[in-house]
Amino acid sequence: DAKTTQPPSMDCAEGRAANLPCNHSTISGNEYVYWYRQIHSQGPQYIIHGLKNNETNEMASLIITEDRKSSTLILPHATLRDTAVYYCIVRGANSKLTFGKGITLSVRP
Amino acid sequence: SAVISQKPSRDICQRGTSLTIQCQVDSQVTMMFWYRQQPGQSLTLIATANQGSEATYESGFVIDKFPISRPNLTFSTLTVSNMSPEDSSIYLCSVEDRGGSSQETQYFGPGTRLLVL
Repeated sequence: DAKTTQPPSMDCAEGRAANLPCNHSTISGNEYVYWYRQIHSQGPQYIIHGLKNNETNEMASLIITEDRKSSTLILPHATLRDTAVYYCIVRGANSKLTFGKGITLSVRP
Repeated sequence: SAVISQKPSRDICQRGTSLTIQCQVDSQVTMMFWYRQQPGQSLTLIATANQGSEATYESGFVIDKFPISRPNLTFSTLTVSNMSPEDSSIYLCSVEDRGGSSQETQYFGPGTRLLVL
């Protein structure tokens, strides 16, 4: 399964856009990129997924580079409640999700 | 998306005992998964539980320690057997559901927080 690399942490100001990067240079052509977040040891919450086109939903936008080797999750207007660990995952065979360490996003007032 | 509940939400157990965790989903799903999250760590997949077949365990996890049942398409249990303090973790179940998307997505339950003394 393709591995992902994320910075360990980042912060942003409340109300500003949070851009969370992810590298997945070994991704295969039919593998999807998924983003989840985990708020204070709750169950992970699904955010968004994509294959090669940019995607947007009510929570976030996902920008995938043309070569698909990296992606960025964008929270357009971060709030304090968006403080969480964000996981970028390449969905592997048999539906397996391999969680890395994720990136801890801290939203400051 | 599927709504998932787990019981118990938390428990404190004595070493050497066993605990069975229940996972209930509000719709029929083919694939259910069990994860463990040790303190300060990320999630690790324990096994995949498909209805009508034996669970498939990941490397490092064995059926004798983590027996799983999957009696129907909406329910599964994970038992943590002969517990030791090292089993203190959050145990999470997830299900794969298509929802309104063309692609299957995993949705997670709230987790069971286990402390073994």
